[in-house]
Amino acid sequence: GAGVSQSPRYKVAKRGQDVALRCDPISGHVSLFWYQQALGQGPEFLTYFQNEAQLDKSGLPSDRFFAERPEGSVSTLKIQRTQQEDSAVYLCASSSGGDEQFFGPGTRLTVL
Amino acid sequence: AQTVTQSQPEMSVQEAETVTLSCTYDTSESNYYLFWYKQPPSRQMILVIRQEAYKQQNATENRFSVNFQKAAKSFSLKISDSQLGDTAMYFCAFMKPGGTSYGKLTFGQGTILTVHP
Repeated sequence: GAGVSQSPRYKVAKRGQDVALRCDPISGHVSLFWYQQALGQGPEFLTYFQNEAQLDKSGLPSDRFFAERPEGSVSTLKIQRTQQEDSAVYLCASSSGGDEQFFGPGTRLTVL
Repeated sequence: AQTVTQSQPEMSVQEAETVTLSCTYDTSESNYYLFWYKQPPSRQMILVIRQEAYKQQNATENRFSVNFQKAAKSFSLKISDSQLGDTAMYFCAFMKPGGTSYGKLTFGQGTILTVHP
């Protein structure tokens, strides 16, 4: 079966541009997570969805970051007015509600 | 808040040898999960092994085993008979079950493991 997919795999944005990153979780997985991974570092939690409900957004670094999952499946992470410090790999993970999370390949965002 | 610390930025091992990666964590919780994830250069994170804190027996998965010392808050990963395909970044991670953030992972900084032929 298909795993978690993310698109685009690579995104280059000019400072100040808005970007949208997409995550397609494993079909039927109710839980969806977004993480931010800076170069050479461990992933850091951004936000969590249970179905369409965003239950935790405590890790979003600023109000420029916004995530949604309107139908409880595909999720989009949007970053407005991108800054250089937003450059990172953005990882999406899904779970059926158990303890194992399945990760996507990530989107590498470079802000020039 | 929980913290996870991996004090070895890089490790190397010869093929077929054994290597141990270290991880310590800090938490006031009594029930939690600990994980080791592997991230090869292609970047897709893969679960290697998990440990439930209430289980005293150390988890094993084929060539991978852990040494879980709850009182010391230590969770090391031992890789036996290392293979070239084990070359990757390894992350130790903590999860507190329950509540509205069920499944949220806290990761360490990672250890780059290189297996040499």
